[in-house]
Amino acid sequence: DIQMTQSPSTLSASVGDRVTITCRASQSISSWLAWYQQKPGKAPKLLIYKASSLESGVPSRFSGSGSGTEFTLTISSLQPDDFATYYCQQYNSLPWTFGQGTKVEIK
Amino acid sequence: QVQLVQSGAEVKKPGASVKVSCKVSGYTLTELSMHWVRQAPGKGLEWMGGFDPEDGETIYAQKFQGRVTMTEDTSTDTAYMELSSLRSEDTAVYYCATGNMGNYFDYWGQGTLVTVSS
Repeated sequence: DIQMTQSPSTLSASVGDRVTITCRASQSISSWLAWYQQKPGKAPKLLIYKASSLESGVPSRFSGSGSGTEFTLTISSLQPDDFATYYCQQYNSLPWTFGQGTKVEIK
Repeated sequence: QVQLVQSGAEVKKPGASVKVSCKVSGYTLTELSMHWVRQAPGKGLEWMGGFDPEDGETIYAQKFQGRVTMTEDTSTDTAYMELSSLRSEDTAVYYCATGNMGNYFDYWGQGTLVTVSS
C-alpha cells in the first residue's frame, strides 16, 4: 500500500496568514492526489483533485501543487472558516489511502 | 446536485453485524460510483471499498476482505455497507461517498456512527 505522510500534524496560525501543508507519498503517484477539509462532526469536503485542480465552489485562496511524491496545499490568506483538519488522498494505486491529517488551529 | 443521506447510529455487540444504508437523490445510483470510508474516533480516514467503474465490479480493501459486503438497490437508489464479525476496533463513523471516476470523493453522506460495545 502507498503510505501518505502529512506535515505538520498540527499547525497554529492567525487569520490572514499564508499556510502550507505538505503531503509525501511513499512512491510516485504522478498527480493523482486529492485534498479534503474536515470540520468537527462533519463529513470531509473535497477541495483539490489531480494535485492542483480546484473543485467547483472552493475559494481561490486554496491551491495545490506538486507531482510524483511531494505535494503541497496552500491557503493564501487564512480565514476564520478555514480552521479545520486537512487530509490528502492518493488515487494512483489501490487501495486508496489518506494522510493522517493536519489540524489547523487558531494561534 | 448529489445528496447522500445515511441511516442512523447503531450500537452493536462484538461478533454481530451492522448494515448501513446510503440513500441517493439528485442522481440515480447507476450514474454514480459509491464508496465507503470510515473514521475511528479522533483518527484519520480509511477507505473500505467501492465500485470500480472501469471493471464494473465492487472492490474491497484487503483489510476488510471477507468481512464487508457492499450492495446497491437500484430500484430505491440506496447503497448498503454490511460489516460482520464486529469488534471494538470497528467503532467508527462510516461515510458513503461518491467516487469521481471511482477515484477521489466529491460527495459525502453525513456519516453513521457505529459503536461496538459489550
